[in-house]
Amino acid sequence: AQKVTQAQTEISVVEKEDVTLDCVYETRDTTYYLFWYKQPPSGELVFLIRRNSFDEQNEISGRYSWNFQKSTSSFNFTITASQVVDSAVYFCALPAGGGTSYGKLTFGQGTILTVHP
Amino acid sequence: GAGVSQSPRYKVAKRGQDVALRCDPISGHVSLFWYQQALGQGPEFLTYFQNEAQLDKSGLPSDRFFAERPEGSVSTLKIQRTQQEDSAVYLCASSLGLAEGTQYFGPGTRLLVL
Repeated sequence: AQKVTQAQTEISVVEKEDVTLDCVYETRDTTYYLFWYKQPPSGELVFLIRRNSFDEQNEISGRYSWNFQKSTSSFNFTITASQVVDSAVYFCALPAGGGTSYGKLTFGQGTILTVHP
Repeated sequence: GAGVSQSPRYKVAKRGQDVALRCDPISGHVSLFWYQQALGQGPEFLTYFQNEAQLDKSGLPSDRFFAERPEGSVSTLKIQRTQQEDSAVYLCASSLGLAEGTQYFGPGTRLLVL
């Protein structure tokens, strides 16, 4: 069965600090995707990134970067120079696999990030 | 519209009432998902449609929950005889197809059962 663990329930930082959100997953699939979503106070889940398990290259998008390590089943997310607008709940998610998968997502519990001015 | 829309955004129901929650997916998206999100938790899968076919309803918590997508576009999640434990945010997501996999979410409907 798919499982996603986000061990950090809450993180609090001061603006401009860097912060890393951890995600560890379990899957029996040999190929799979991983996702990160952001849920601001408004409630809507905002797609941030999708990574294929084939590709272990780190990815950077502006202040965001992702470190995918298949050997440790981790897909960590770093925000550089955090801003107040980054305050949100962040979810890591793993689609169901198995060849005939249609991609229903298993989410972690989420990490609440609060960035103080 | 450009994104997934859901209505109503908020719904207060008395215990025992029936409710209907609507989802308008992104135009052209084949796949549609419903998730339930309890307070402080991650979303949990309820059901999945590919076009008008409901291919997986394994996440529906009871037979009081029913979903449909009759024309392969708009979907409705219906909850009969609501109970307090049904209080949650109901999220709808759509994706282009099986291979694409990226799900785009609507703003959710916050249901409160009194």
